[in-house]
Amino acid sequence: DQQVKQNSPSLSVQEGRISILNCDYTNSMFDYFLWYKKYPAEGPTFLISISSIKDKNEDGRFTVFLNKSAKHLSLHIVPSQPGDSAVYFCAALTGANSKLTFGKGITLSVRP
Amino acid sequence: GAGVSQSPSNKVTEKGKDVELRCDPISGHTALYWYRQSLGQGLEFLIYFQGNSAPDKSGLPSDRFSAERTGGSVSTLTIQRTQQEDSAVYLCASSLYSYNEQFFGPGTRLTVL
Repeated sequence: DQQVKQNSPSLSVQEGRISILNCDYTNSMFDYFLWYKKYPAEGPTFLISISSIKDKNEDGRFTVFLNKSAKHLSLHIVPSQPGDSAVYFCAALTGANSKLTFGKGITLSVRP
Repeated sequence: GAGVSQSPSNKVTEKGKDVELRCDPISGHTALYWYRQSLGQGLEFLIYFQGNSAPDKSGLPSDRFSAERTGGSVSTLTIQRTQQEDSAVYLCASSLYSYNEQFFGPGTRLTVL
């Protein structure tokens, strides 16, 4: 029973264009959402987060949008750069416990 | 060091042997987590420590898995009588408090032959 779903395994984008990475969740108790970026042979690194009381959070080139009614969030990267090529994981938390529930990840490739 | 460190980085063992994986969290972080990533899967929660106690062990897949944390710092994950399905990357993370962003170590890649 996958509570956090990243249905597209991969995405390829031209440098300079926008990358949109999608994530859906089923557990309505989730109230904090995070995106992590992972390079091969490294641990995930925190990228950006959003609380369920907000619908948008922006940090430089990265913006996360949350649609609670649709149980959907997305990460926008603009402009995309070749160094953004990595695996991106969507994760969620509930206030009841602290464990992160992760999606399976999406591999982003940014073409020069 | 400034980040979470884990050792060993790679471990190859024979089926049936015991293994110990170590995690050094960021200094001052009270919360520590273990996850694992099997091939083609997302990260799967194993156990969470707040200080030296483990309020959530719900992710440990069997009683062959155990973990401890001493002095509110270093943690050890032990897998007894390893099986081939235990092969995965085991990741440790720490956070200043629970319900904060978690910072991950580089992981230990465990291969059970």
